[in-house]
Amino acid sequence: DARVTQTPRHKVTEMGQEVTMRCQPILGHNTVFWYRQTMMQGLELLAYFRNRAPLDDSGMPKDRFSAEMPDATLATLKIQPSEPRDSAVYFCASGPGPGQGSYEQYFGPGTRLTVT
Amino acid sequence: GENVEQHPSTLSVQEGDSAVIKCTYSDSASNYFPWYKQELGKRPQLIIDIRSNVGEKKDQRIAVTLNKTAKHFSLHITETQPEDSAVYFCAASLSNTGKLIFGQGTTLQVKP
Repeated sequence: DARVTQTPRHKVTEMGQEVTMRCQPILGHNTVFWYRQTMMQGLELLAYFRNRAPLDDSGMPKDRFSAEMPDATLATLKIQPSEPRDSAVYFCASGPGPGQGSYEQYFGPGTRLTVT
Repeated sequence: GENVEQHPSTLSVQEGDSAVIKCTYSDSASNYFPWYKQELGKRPQLIIDIRSNVGEKKDQRIAVTLNKTAKHFSLHITETQPEDSAVYFCAASLSNTGKLIFGQGTTLQVKP
């Protein structure tokens, strides 16, 4: 049963520190998404990739957030410098993609980030 | 851009009753509508989805209906069980973009 994996599962850091979150999409999936979940804002799309190319990162604060896919098995989301308002659960999701006739997305377990 | 409204925000039913959650979307070009279930502290899990060329889809006790003219879709859970208690999210997507826009979620409580 293939699943999206994310590391770390929990991260506590001080304001101003760099945070890097990693995601391994399901093998063969061509689309990767980063979401942020908070009680106030719900599930927000931050960025997404198709075939490792960034297609849309309009939901991401560009001054401090960056998302990359160094290869097909790794997606990263970095925050530098982190701020208390970045505290949230960050989910990665992957899907086969429209090229394979599928629009489904499967979520990883999330990284719970706390910035003090 | 797309906007998805979900109602109600909370829903409490007795075990065995039916539960209905409704969502409306703004972009008439949206053509893919999934529903996710999220238990406390867990990942959202895809439970059912529907494409715009279909009006209804059923999988055991859950069903989704879509009214393209009115731009709304609904999740129906019959014979509810305590393990159905969770937060349910609807979403809408333009299939050529792959982006999902989520509703705000409905907290369903099934009382034994």
